[in-house]
Amino acid sequence: AQSVTQPDARVTVSQGASLQLRCKYSYSGTPYLFWYVQYPRQGLQLLLKYYSGDPVVQGVNGFEAEFSKSNSSFHPRKASVHWSDSAVYFCAVSSNTGANTGKLTFGHGTILRVHP
Amino acid sequence: NTKITQSPRYLILGRANKSLECEQHLGHNAMYWYKQSAEKPPELMFLYNLKQLIRNETVPSRFIPECPDSSKLLLHISAVDPEDSAVYFCASSPQGAGNTLYFGEGSRLIVV
Repeated sequence: AQSVTQPDARVTVSQGASLQLRCKYSYSGTPYLFWYVQYPRQGLQLLLKYYSGDPVVQGVNGFEAEFSKSNSSFHPRKASVHWSDSAVYFCAVSSNTGANTGKLTFGHGTILRVHP
Repeated sequence: NTKITQSPRYLILGRANKSLECEQHLGHNAMYWYKQSAEKPPELMFLYNLKQLIRNETVPSRFIPECPDSSKLLLHISAVDPEDSAVYFCASSPQGAGNTLYFGEGSRLIVV
């Protein structure tokens, strides 16, 4: 079965500080991994995506993430956060084979609060 | 994101019947209904590909999806239950595994 775990339910940082969120995945094989961001009262928007190739991927809003197969992780980071980055961040995994093909499974989310 | 529109945005119901509507203008072949309960991640309910229902997760029978054409998705709800209070998101993606999902802004259902 595919799954992702986000160990941090809430993260609070000051504006201008660096940020790293955490995601560990469980999947046999090479998964499709995503990070989505959800601003208040809105739908989810893609932040980052990885499937193959360079393990460091660039996303939107200054985010980048590094995939690690040995650690089963896909952690995004940002050098300097802004108060507008305050949102809920979801890690997700998708399968390309078997019974779960096409199914996107989300972690429980990390609430990011940036102090102005 | 105005390329996936959902209506209504807010809905307050007793034990009534209602339909949620979704339309995407992205030319995608796959469309989804996700349910997001308070402080929880979205959970897949239904997945259509080229108008065919290909995934039907464990969803109460009072929820009936319909895909009248490849750009429209409906969710018919009958005799709602308080546990149905949630935000229902429509999403779409190009055909094929691993493609990015694009989400609408959701329909917030409150069951009184």
